[in-house]
Amino acid sequence: VQLVQSGAEVKKPGESLRISCKDSGHRFTSYWMNWVRQLPGKGLEWMGRIDPSDSYTNYSPSFQGHVTISADKSINTAYLQWNSLKASDTAIYYCARPEIATADLQHWGQGTLLTVSS
Amino acid sequence: EIVLTQSPDFQSVTPKEKVTITCRASQYIANSLHWYQQKPDQSPKLLIKYASQSFSGVPSRFSGSGSGTDFTLTINSLEAEDAATYYCHQSSSLPFTFGQGTKLEIK
Repeated sequence: VQLVQSGAEVKKPGESLRISCKDSGHRFTSYWMNWVRQLPGKGLEWMGRIDPSDSYTNYSPSFQGHVTISADKSINTAYLQWNSLKASDTAIYYCARPEIATADLQHWGQGTLLTVSS
Repeated sequence: EIVLTQSPDFQSVTPKEKVTITCRASQYIANSLHWYQQKPDQSPKLLIKYASQSFSGVPSRFSGSGSGTDFTLTINSLEAEDAATYYCHQSSSLPFTFGQGTKLEIK
């Protein structure tokens, strides 16, 4: 299993963005895909997750309404989207999922660095 | 939301020492507690899942214990490569949460 994320982004406040996470495995629709944020020099924050089989999502209240998690099961890819970026969104974003139908995060993407600056 | 509190925040240790990191949950979470290691400029790596389950690829010096609200990650005979930040993570109830992290420095 390999999770490959899209590359680093530099955006301005107010801009929109969608980053991606492609799952090279053969069971993309079997397990929840999670997104985790890491602010510069800080710890890990769970943002939310998606069931790629039906696109059902759970969000942390801290991120609900500010980001959208989606998935395209035809191409084994999950997405994290913002409609209006803020400088405080500057962080590394990771996708992660379990190996089997559990809730641990055994497989991680390499991370996508997002910089939001005017 | 379940709050996970790790202790200590930082520890400076010598090679071959035994290290214990604790994680306390603000509510009962059974054994739904996982441990990760993150080295600088790397993605986190799962070390222990469901409090005490190890798996292939993780050195045997790493072990986990606990249930309910109190959990422990133990590193036996610390090696220089274990310098990293360690996080606990609960998947008992939504929203899932992480501890604040424990940074291990090797003297």
